[in-house]
Amino acid sequence: SQQGEEDPQALSIQEGENATMNCSYKTSINNLQWYRQNSGRGLVHLILIRSNEREKHSGRLRVTLDTSKKSSSLLITASRAADTASYFCATPISSGSARQLTFGSGTQLTVLP
Amino acid sequence: AAGVIQSPRHLIKEKRETATLKCYPIPRHDTVYWYQQGPGQDPQFLISFYEKMQSDKGSIPDRFSAQQFSDYHSELNMSSLELGDSALYFCASSLGVLVFGTGGSPLHFGNGTRLTVT
Repeated sequence: SQQGEEDPQALSIQEGENATMNCSYKTSINNLQWYRQNSGRGLVHLILIRSNEREKHSGRLRVTLDTSKKSSSLLITASRAADTASYFCATPISSGSARQLTFGSGTQLTVLP
Repeated sequence: AAGVIQSPRHLIKEKRETATLKCYPIPRHDTVYWYQQGPGQDPQFLISFYEKMQSDKGSIPDRFSAQQFSDYHSELNMSSLELGDSALYFCASSLGVLVFGTGGSPLHFGNGTRLTVT
């Protein structure tokens, strides 16, 4: 089963609007990361929030983390057409002796010009 | 700044053939990860190496193997290819176990190899 579940699966907005994507996870974490992926390209790290942080900003990005609800949100303000991409949350998990960065199912964001 | 380099960018193979994918991590990064991403799917962790030793194993088929060499580059070897192996294969690098600590460390991904099995 997926460590991370994201909603919505797809989001379409007009340029200038804000976009909010949500991520839920199952196990306890030390940090949560958000990545962006343009179609057919590699993932690009956007922002990392530690488990002892509740909110973090980077440019037009705002990430929140609620460890009691095991959820995070990514807000992109004043969206641009160039923000069109898939957005994934990812959490480092340890299962037995295996450690991995596990990705959620992603949100496909389309920003219409 | 140097990024993760993957080769080839595209690869077409027939069923039952073998394929080798290469990855050159960012200089001074000591950990390499391999991920598989099917169409419309999220990336699935395959295997990782820390300081040239296998570190962690995910959902990697027995037909696949990987290693990290003395210069830190890594290769993913895939044998007896099946149609279902068609996917994007990503390599990522990082400063090791920091990914899993509270301090955190991001993964840096290459642009991937698109493998098509016909």
